[in-house]
Amino acid sequence: KAGVTQTPRYLIKTRGQQVTLSCSPISGHRSVSWYQQTPGQGLQFLFEYFSETQRNKGNFPGRFSGRQFSNSRSEMNVSTLELGDSALYLCASSLLSENTEAFFGQGTRLTVV
Amino acid sequence: AQKITQTQPGMFVQEKEAVTLDCTYDTSDPSYGLFWYKQPSSGEMIFLIYQGSYDQQNATEGRYSLNFQKARKSANLVISASQLGDSAMYFCAMRGYNYGQNFVFGPGTRLSVLP
Repeated sequence: KAGVTQTPRYLIKTRGQQVTLSCSPISGHRSVSWYQQTPGQGLQFLFEYFSETQRNKGNFPGRFSGRQFSNSRSEMNVSTLELGDSALYLCASSLLSENTEAFFGQGTRLTVV
Repeated sequence: AQKITQTQPGMFVQEKEAVTLDCTYDTSDPSYGLFWYKQPSSGEMIFLIYQGSYDQQNATEGRYSLNFQKARKSANLVISASQLGDSAMYFCAMRGYNYGQNFVFGPGTRLSVLP
């Protein structure tokens, strides 16, 4: 079956712009979580959605937001982009929030210039 | 709070030899899961192996095994018969089983397999 699909794979944006990233989880998976990966901070949790509800949120400013649709697809949005938002954004899909494995997409590499 | 420590920023191993990647953790959750992921240069995180905190036996998945020592709070990954394709970043992670628990990742270990 298809894995986790993240689009786009690469993005270049200018400071002050906003960006929307998309994640399509594995079919049947209801939990989607997002992580930011940077060389300096490593992998950091952004937020998790389960059945269209945000169940957990990491320590990121309000410029970072997300949502989940009824088909479990999720989007995250970053407004007023800063240079420090340049990172690899990874989406993880799980059958249930408490399930064992999570399967990750290939990520979206965002560069803010 | 949960924390993962990986003390080896980089490791080298000869092809066909075994290698152990260290991971220690800290948590106050009574029930949790420990995971290892591999991240090649393409960026995708590839699930390798899982160990539940109440599992009595060490987990194994093909060439991967997890050396789980609960009292020491360690969950080392052992890769047997290393292959050139094993060269990648390896992340140890944990997840509590309470409502809405997210993954906490360690800083990673870069493994290089030498021919």
